[in-house]
Amino acid sequence: DAGVTQSPTHLIKTRGQHVTLRCSPISGHKSVSWYQQVLGQGPQFIFQYYEKEERGRGNFPDRFSARQFPNYSSELNVNALLLGDSALYLCASSPRQGDTGELFFGEGSRLTVL
Amino acid sequence: RKEVEQDPGPFNVPEGATVAFNCTYSNSASQSFFWYRQDCRKEPKLLMSVYSSGNEDGRFTAQLNRASQYISLLIRDSKLSDSATYLCVVNLGGGYNKLIFGAGTRLAVHP
Repeated sequence: DAGVTQSPTHLIKTRGQHVTLRCSPISGHKSVSWYQQVLGQGPQFIFQYYEKEERGRGNFPDRFSARQFPNYSSELNVNALLLGDSALYLCASSPRQGDTGELFFGEGSRLTVL
Repeated sequence: RKEVEQDPGPFNVPEGATVAFNCTYSNSASQSFFWYRQDCRKEPKLLMSVYSSGNEDGRFTAQLNRASQYISLLIRDSKLSDSATYLCVVNLGGGYNKLIFGAGTRLAVHP
């Protein structure tokens, strides 16, 4: 079975642009979470979606938004990009909504903002 | 204060050595605890859960002290393949998967 897949794997944008990152969870997993990992730091929680509804949001500005589709895939959108948004964006899926620590991560989308 | 703090790295150890990582967390309401492993430029993967009674998985032993809000990971008989960054992770619970990750401790095992 395929694991969590993310696209694109690498992308370069300039300040002020917009980016959309995509994620397909493991088949049968209904929960998708997004994390941002800046170089040298651990992943930081951005959003969790379960059954197409936002279930949790981290401490990120409104420039960050996401959604989950009926097939449980998800998109993360970031508007008005800043240099500080350069990071690895990780998508993770799990079969349940919450109270579990086992998340299955994709390989990430590495965003560089120039 | 960071929500999850870990030993600064890197730890450079020879093969066969025993190495211990420590971690503290600030939120006493934290519900569950984990160690994840992240290889260079790869995604994090769950290594093991951590329970108050302590738990062992082969060469790896994890301990949790809720009173001290302290988590540890012990690796015995280190292998070259153990070289990675080890992330201490806390789940605050509340019905959804908001995992709080530490910054990680880098381990380098050399021949």
